[in-house]
Amino acid sequence: AQSVTQPDIHITVSEGASLELRCNYSYGATPYLFWYVQSPGQGLQLLLKYFSGDTLVQGIKGFEAEFKRSQSSFNLRKPSVHWSDAAEYFCAVGAGTASKLTFGTGTRLQVTL
Amino acid sequence: GAVVSQHPSWVICKSGTSVKIECRSLDFQATTMFWYRQFPKQSLMLMATSNEGSKATYEQGVEKDKFLINHASLTLSTLTVTSAHPEDSSFYICSAARTSGDEEQYFGPGTRLTVT
Repeated sequence: AQSVTQPDIHITVSEGASLELRCNYSYGATPYLFWYVQSPGQGLQLLLKYFSGDTLVQGIKGFEAEFKRSQSSFNLRKPSVHWSDAAEYFCAVGAGTASKLTFGTGTRLQVTL
Repeated sequence: GAVVSQHPSWVICKSGTSVKIECRSLDFQATTMFWYRQFPKQSLMLMATSNEGSKATYEQGVEKDKFLINHASLTLSTLTVTSAHPEDSSFYICSAARTSGDEEQYFGPGTRLTVT
């Protein structure tokens, strides 16, 4: 069965500091991996996705993620966090971009000024 | 483009009544829509996959007679929670997958259901 683990429930960083959110997955086949952000009152927004090719993926809002097959990880990073990045972040895995997804439990990011 | 709406955004109903939640793709056609449920401070759990013109496919453990899903057109899917109970209180989120093009899926803003 497929699963996604986000070990960090809550992370607090200072504005301008770097950020890394961890994601580990379990999937039987070649996975499509996603990072979504959820802000209060808004739907999930896709930050980036990975299926194949370059293992370092660039997304929107200055985010990037690195796929490491040997570690079954797909960690999300941002060099310099902005206060507006405070939100809930979800890692997800699926069979395709338009397929059903299995989500991790999410990481709530708090940004201090 | 690629906007998905849900209506209502928030609903309160009494125990034993039914409530319908709509999911619409506003500017694209969606062959497939997904319904997720999110408990407070928890992840999204897939409830069912809805394909236009056919019966929905429910995930294991989801009561199909309680959560009725209808995908009547390429832009509308509905979730009806029948005989609602307080334990059905949750945040329900739909997503819609484009029929063609980028074949991405887009998420609605969610519907908060509170059953009293």
